[in-house]
Amino acid sequence: TQLLEQSPQFLSIQEGENLTVYCNSSSVFSSLQWYRQEPGEGPVLLVTVVTGGEVKKLKRLTFQFGDARKDSSLHITAAQPGDTGLYLCAGARPGGYQKVTFGTGTKLQVIP
Amino acid sequence: DAMVIQNPRYQVTQFGKPVTLSCSQTLNHNVMYWYQQKSSQAPKLLFHYYDKDFNNEADTPDNFQSRRPNTSFCFLDIRSPGLGDAAMYLCATSVPDRGTQYFGPGTRLTVL
Repeated sequence: TQLLEQSPQFLSIQEGENLTVYCNSSSVFSSLQWYRQEPGEGPVLLVTVVTGGEVKKLKRLTFQFGDARKDSSLHITAAQPGDTGLYLCAGARPGGYQKVTFGTGTKLQVIP
Repeated sequence: DAMVIQNPRYQVTQFGKPVTLSCSQTLNHNVMYWYQQKSSQAPKLLFHYYDKDFNNEADTPDNFQSRRPNTSFCFLDIRSPGLGDAAMYLCATSVPDRGTQYFGPGTRLTVL
């Protein structure tokens, strides 16, 4: 069974703080996605990373794909209340792009 | 804008009364998925279509069926909803070359 473990599971921080969410596996992934989901809505794609060591930035969010393509991290600088939500990573295995493995999720609350 | 649309956003049904959820897409993607998601957990894949080819997950109950009459539309039929089927149901689409999936806003199902 392919597992993507996310940590931390829950995170409650003050507005303006920085945070990092981790997504780890023992399996190699050909691509990895990060999503943010707000209550009552579907997950919204933030980024797809495909190359080992790749770093992508989306405003205050920085995503990194591990060199071995087994792990990824999401760093948020100066968190804002609008960042509140459930963060999900999802990985596609080589040759199996139709299905992805979802991470266990990180629930983030940013307090004004 | 190209998108994934789910109707209705909220559905209330009675125990044992059949219900159908619908999904449409304007992305012209080959693959369509149905997921079940319970409170702040990762989405759980029920089944997916690659064009007209139906792929059922081994642990998806027989109570759940699906139809894809054309590229744009996909339906989830719950034949006899139980209380345990109350959840958010998410539709997603993808092209099978990278793993990136695009989600609709979801349908929140309540079973009375």
